[in-house]
Amino acid sequence: DTGVSQDPRHKITKRGQNVTFRCDPISEHNRLYWYRQTLGQGPEFLTYFQNEAQLEKSRLLSDRFSAERPKGSFSTLEIQRTEQGDSAMYLCASSSTLIAGVYNEQFFGPGTRLTVL
Amino acid sequence: EDQVTQSPEALRLQEGESSSLNCSYTVSGLRGLFWYRQDPGKGPEFLFTLYSAGEEKEKERLKATLTKKESFLHITAPKPEDSATYLCAVQAPSGGSYIPTFGRGTSLIVHP
Repeated sequence: DTGVSQDPRHKITKRGQNVTFRCDPISEHNRLYWYRQTLGQGPEFLTYFQNEAQLEKSRLLSDRFSAERPKGSFSTLEIQRTEQGDSAMYLCASSSTLIAGVYNEQFFGPGTRLTVL
Repeated sequence: EDQVTQSPEALRLQEGESSSLNCSYTVSGLRGLFWYRQDPGKGPEFLFTLYSAGEEKEKERLKATLTKKESFLHITAPKPEDSATYLCAVQAPSGGSYIPTFGRGTSLIVHP
């Protein structure tokens, strides 16, 4: 078990550019979550997948954000036309679900820190 | 309106000085309350899951408890290595689905 990995760990971009982040969950986990965290705040839910299906997306999530999880394995989060307000830590987490309606703990990756200049 | 409120925002303790962190929630239909520890620049690390009122979990110097309105994380005789931000999260209904909602965390500093 190598844990959840994220790539890159740091990304600096200019306003208006597109960026893409990758998350590799723990292999046997069927659920994958994306969060955004700013300084002094808890992680803010963005979206989650069960296998390859995207089941929920935050109402606060701009149309500039899109996520995919092809084949139910790794996931990517893309931000188009980045803005300075997108600067944050982007966290990925995975969990296993053996019983419907039972929510287990999430295992987080180290995060990708995005800085938009 | 925050669904999950953690207090205090920051806490400074001397090594060995026991204390408690609070997580109060206003959601209904709770499907799990989770405690995580987060070190600076890292992702949260799972500590405990509590599913029903009255449940308690322990791990080393930490003990988590749950009532119908709040959860406490008790730290007994803390050490400097316990310094971190402690996050509480609830899994509750939101628009037909269950999404996790985190509090803002309690920043704990333990002085030697």
